[in-house]
Amino acid sequence: LAKTTQPISMDSYEGQEVNITCSHNNIATNDYITWYQQFPSQGPRFIIQGYKTKVTNEVASLFIPADRKSSTLSLPRVSLSDTAVYYCLVGSARSYIPTFGRGTSLIVHP
Amino acid sequence: KAGVTQTPRYLIKTRGQQVTLSCSPISGHRSVSWYQQTPGQGLQFLFEYFSETQRNKGNFPGRFSGRQFSNSRSEMNVSTLELGDSALYLCASSLSGIGGAPDTQYFGPGTRLTVL
Repeated sequence: LAKTTQPISMDSYEGQEVNITCSHNNIATNDYITWYQQFPSQGPRFIIQGYKTKVTNEVASLFIPADRKSSTLSLPRVSLSDTAVYYCLVGSARSYIPTFGRGTSLIVHP
Repeated sequence: KAGVTQTPRYLIKTRGQQVTLSCSPISGHRSVSWYQQTPGQGLQFLFEYFSETQRNKGNFPGRFSGRQFSNSRSEMNVSTLELGDSALYLCASSLSGIGGAPDTQYFGPGTRLTVL
């Protein structure tokens, strides 16, 4: 199973772009990269998923370099409501034991 | 569509007792996963059920068990409770997990278990 490493915490200010990088050096060929967001006392919520290059949806972008050994979640113009814990997961549907770990605690300041 | 529901939302037990938690997945979802979340260990995967069979299992002792019914509803049981079992237990459902990419998991609100 691919192990992931992400920063424990990050701080930002409203209106800034936030980039959270996740390292997954031993990612397998069939593995996808998925990001979840969790607010206190709630279950995680899916943000975005990708396999290679760049994926964008209405809330975030996911950048994956050619070697796929890392990925970067980009949150444009964050607001206070983006304060949450962000998790990076790596795996495929067939061999998927989700490893959330501790995630990255993002605090957005006014 | 109704979301994932978990019952009860809060539970207080004493050491040595056992507890059963219930999870109703989103209609049409066949996979149900359980997680334990504590401040010390973070969010950890317990097990996953699909079509009434345990398909994946995390690294937890045998005191933690689960089952899934034909309607995809799932229960998890913890026997001989220990103080360290105090945690938020989350259930997540997904479609099937049969494709190439992992299916999106939809989480319930969780059951807060306190062991005294």
